[in-house]
Amino acid sequence: DGGITQSPKYLFRKEGQNVTLSCEQNLNHDAMYWYRQDPGQGLRLIYYSQIVNDFQKGDIAEGYSVSREKKESFPLTVTSAQKNPTAFYLCATGVKDNSPLHFGNGTRLTVT
Amino acid sequence: EDQVTQSPEALRLQEGESSSLNCSYTVSGLRGLFWYRQDPGKGPEFLFTLYSAGEEKEKERLKATLTKKESFLHITAPKPEDSATYLCAVPRGGNKLTFGTGTQLKVEL
Repeated sequence: DGGITQSPKYLFRKEGQNVTLSCEQNLNHDAMYWYRQDPGQGLRLIYYSQIVNDFQKGDIAEGYSVSREKKESFPLTVTSAQKNPTAFYLCATGVKDNSPLHFGNGTRLTVT
Repeated sequence: EDQVTQSPEALRLQEGESSSLNCSYTVSGLRGLFWYRQDPGKGPEFLFTLYSAGEEKEKERLKATLTKKESFLHITAPKPEDSATYLCAVPRGGNKLTFGTGTQLKVEL
């Protein structure tokens, strides 16, 4: 089945630790995105990549890092510099400008 | 700066009670508007794309419409399985989307 796989579904970490969230897609889409969702707020863009080996900061990139070494994969690292890391993280893919994005089922990260 | 506002924040309906959700937007040159459905603990699921004022799209009990300032998601004779959060979003170049905060719909028997 074609789709976007995010893992793990739930992740728990202690404050001060870096953590990496996985996103894999087999849709053959060029563009990949990371969004963060918090209660009462719209989805906010963290990072995006439109081609392998290239990525750009979104609206809230501070405290996060990404890599895009393969078309299929776009992992997100939440570093200890992120002040409020507890959130629901969503990975998405896109085909072309002004077309809808396709989302994975998210990773819920809890940092205590 | 592009803005998307959804109302109401929450809506409770009885099964069969039709209603509408609103998405108003302020963008410099509309390139489309998307509706998504999101179930608890899941990612948003794409429903509709609307590109120009006057356009309408339908899927089962849902119908989306678009004017120059806002979009409506009309729900006709809803069922409990229509309960979800409905999100709208507008593109702002490079496939980046600006999302509204959503309307949480609960349909009761």
